[in-house]
Amino acid sequence: DAGVIQSPRHEVTEMGQEVTLRCKPISGHNSLFWYRQTMMRGLELLIYFNNNVPIDDSGMPEDRFSAKMPNASFSTLKIQPSEPRDSAVYFCASSFNGPGAAGELFFGEGSRLTVL
Amino acid sequence: AQSVTQLGSHVSVSEGALVLLRCNYSSSVPPYLFWYVQYPNQGLQLLLKYTTGATLVKGINGFEAEFKKSETSFHLTKPSAHMSDAAEYFCAVGDNTDKLIFGTGTRLQVFP
Repeated sequence: DAGVIQSPRHEVTEMGQEVTLRCKPISGHNSLFWYRQTMMRGLELLIYFNNNVPIDDSGMPEDRFSAKMPNASFSTLKIQPSEPRDSAVYFCASSFNGPGAAGELFFGEGSRLTVL
Repeated sequence: AQSVTQLGSHVSVSEGALVLLRCNYSSSVPPYLFWYVQYPNQGLQLLLKYTTGATLVKGINGFEAEFKKSETSFHLTKPSAHMSDAAEYFCAVGDNTDKLIFGTGTRLQVFP
């Protein structure tokens, strides 16, 4: 079975450019999460969706970041304009959760973003 | 609000020695607790989890963790370290929502 698929695996861009990261969750999962990992701040939850609806975006750093989930099999995280401090590894994860339970997260391999 | 504290950002052990990675949590509701492992250039994968029931939880690769409510701890152990255990380990806490809050991670080094 395919796991969580993220693209691109690596992206190098210049400051001010738009960056779009993509994620395909595991089929049948109803929750999707975007995390950011840096040496300084560790693993931070940016936003998560349940049944394609954004539930908590309190971790999104600022208005330059936006995330969408137009359907159950696709999500994007967009940074516009990008800045060097956005350099990090961005992970997408999905899970299947019934009501009132925290399920296991399945992570993609991450998208390593470098903003010059 | 929930939080996780992992004591020690780096732990070094000899091959064959006991591995002990510490995790303390804070939660206003009965917690769900997880340990994840991350190998270089990979995503995180689940080692084990505690939701309800037996407080000693066994996971993959010989790891286990014990939920101690009185100590608000969920330490990860393995009796005998193997070179392949070298990785970063994350403790996480969840509640009755979908969110998991991760600790800052502990990097385990195993020396021959």
